[in-house]
Amino acid sequence: AQTVTQSQPEMSVQEAETVTLSCTYDTSENNYYLFWYKQPPSRQMILVIRQEAYKQQNATENRFSVNFQKAAKSFSLKISDSQLGDTAMYFCASAAIQTGANNLFFGTGTRLTVIP
Amino acid sequence: KAGVTQTPRYLIKTRGQQVTLSCSPISGHRSVSWYQQTPGQGLQFLFEYFSETQRNKGNFPGRFSGRQFSNSRSEMNVSTLELGDSALYLCASSFDWSNEQYFGPGTRLTVT
Repeated sequence: AQTVTQSQPEMSVQEAETVTLSCTYDTSENNYYLFWYKQPPSRQMILVIRQEAYKQQNATENRFSVNFQKAAKSFSLKISDSQLGDTAMYFCASAAIQTGANNLFFGTGTRLTVIP
Repeated sequence: KAGVTQTPRYLIKTRGQQVTLSCSPISGHRSVSWYQQTPGQGLQFLFEYFSETQRNKGNFPGRFSGRQFSNSRSEMNVSTLELGDSALYLCASSFDWSNEQYFGPGTRLTVT
């Protein structure tokens, strides 16, 4: 079984500042992926960043980076130089790496507002 | 490349009716997953289809069913609708398991 917990229901950040969204997870799987998805008000879910649990190096995608602490089962998302377009719901998710297991387990989300 | 499309975008049904939602994956993607999103329960996995076979299933009652066609398009059906079925239903496609899932815009179902 997999569970994902996001303890920050809402956050706000000033434009151009940096913000970190928290996520913890629990899984009995040995190999898994972790994801951050963004859901803007238009509702189209977009993948922000993906981390393979067997990789030590933290994933980065332009202004987005993660801090993956495997032992602590923590997977936080850092957004640098925040932009108005970053305003959205952010969901942390996990998925087992195994044939026939393509389902994502999502956290409850963090609503991020970027303030001009 | 066209993205994942879902039809219809909005739907209003009455309790007891049934409904069919459609999802067209990205060309070449063989896996289609369905999720239900509600304010109370968040995002929950319904089922996944791969090459016309249900490969994985979430914890939903048998009223929720689906299928996949040879062109990878998928439909989900909900019978005997209940008020609690009101939700945003999201479809996601990927080339195969463990690949990045691309989501459609969703179908907003309202049950009255």
